[in-house]
Amino acid sequence: GDSVTQMEGPVTLSEEAFLTINCTYTATGYPSLFWYVQYPGEGLQLLLKATKADDKGSNKGFEATYRKETTSFHLEKGSVQVSDSAVYFCALSDRYNFNKFYFGSGTKLNVKP
Amino acid sequence: GAVVSQHPSWVICKSGTSVKIECRSLDFQATTMFWYRQFPKQSLMLMATSNEGSKATYEQGVEKDKFLINHASLTLSTLTVTSAHPEDSSFYICSARDGQLAVNEQFFGPGTRLTVL
Repeated sequence: GDSVTQMEGPVTLSEEAFLTINCTYTATGYPSLFWYVQYPGEGLQLLLKATKADDKGSNKGFEATYRKETTSFHLEKGSVQVSDSAVYFCALSDRYNFNKFYFGSGTKLNVKP
Repeated sequence: GAVVSQHPSWVICKSGTSVKIECRSLDFQATTMFWYRQFPKQSLMLMATSNEGSKATYEQGVEKDKFLINHASLTLSTLTVTSAHPEDSSFYICSARDGQLAVNEQFFGPGTRLTVL
């Protein structure tokens, strides 16, 4: 079945450091891929998405490229800020089964000033 | 943009009572709504999918008689936790899909923290 695997956290970085959070997926079809962010005590917010191979999603300095050959959708940011501290979830949805979203286990990011 | 609200944002109740959580799409018609449960430091677990005007579809292992879901209109779905017990304490998150959008995207509510004493 479809699934998402994320690197385990927590990830602790200093402000202005480079961020990479790895995400790989398994899917039988052609999924859409998402990154969601969850701040403490809040729900999930869509950070970025990509709907087909080689698409790059970007938002607020974060980027992720849909790599079909490596089944990956790694999240990157060139210079993190303290305000980026949150939990990040990688997710996929099956294009042929709109009701199913599969989430990774989440990666907590701590950014220190 | 698409906004989903939940009410209440937190609730504390006694064991054995029932609790209702509302999920509303504020600026779009949600043909499909989803209910998730999130345990501390864990990912989201899909509990059920509800389509407006029809019965909810529950994921394996989720008790449909305990977690009653009603999707009576295109903007409102409710989750009722019946005879709640401490093990039902969790963070419940709803999401909604805009039926008029071709893209497959879910918009998430802010979540409801349920604590059962």
